[in-house]
Amino acid sequence: KQEVTQIPAALSVPEGENLVLNCSFTDSAIYNLQWFRQDPGKGLTSLLLIQSSQREQTSGRLNASLDKSSGRSTLYIAASQPGDSATYLCAEIQGGSEKLVFGKGTKLTVNP
Amino acid sequence: NAGVTQTPKFRILKIGQSMTLQCAQDMNHNYMYWYRQDPGMGLKLIYYSVGAGITDKGEVPNGYNVSRSTTEDFPLRLELAAPSQTSVYFCASSYSRDIGGYTFGSGTRLTVV
Repeated sequence: KQEVTQIPAALSVPEGENLVLNCSFTDSAIYNLQWFRQDPGKGLTSLLLIQSSQREQTSGRLNASLDKSSGRSTLYIAASQPGDSATYLCAEIQGGSEKLVFGKGTKLTVNP
Repeated sequence: NAGVTQTPKFRILKIGQSMTLQCAQDMNHNYMYWYRQDPGMGLKLIYYSVGAGITDKGEVPNGYNVSRSTTEDFPLRLELAAPSQTSVYFCASSYSRDIGGYTFGSGTRLTVV
């Protein structure tokens, strides 16, 4: 059974700090992995998508990596800002599937 | 603005009532999805569709039904509402699983009492 785990469930950091959010998945037959952001009371916003053939993707201050052999992905946020405060979710699609399977998310708070 | 539109935003149902959650997208996306999100539990897939006339069950389909008669619309039907269906429901769409760029609606908060 596909399972996606995100640790920690919550993280609080001071503004300006670089930080890493972790995501692990159980099946190496991953097709792609995506990172989303969810603000309170809102829907999800797609941040980055990494295909299984790629090792990382970058967008602005965000960098996501994928290591299939270890079943891990990380989302690196550089120079964090209070506006980065949100819940970050990762989700995978396995080969042969059309379905995103989500982790429970990491709630990030960036303190001014 | 282009995107995924969900209605209603909030609804309170009594046990045993039925309702339809509406979802429409104007991006000509092939793939559409319904998820539910319970506190601290992440998102669970209810149903999905890879194109008009094609639907399939997700992880938690019991108590729900869907139809996809057009590319734009993907309504979710709740029959005989139960308290366990109290949740926030999100509709999403994407062009394909390769391109990603999933677009989510703003959600429907449903309470069954």
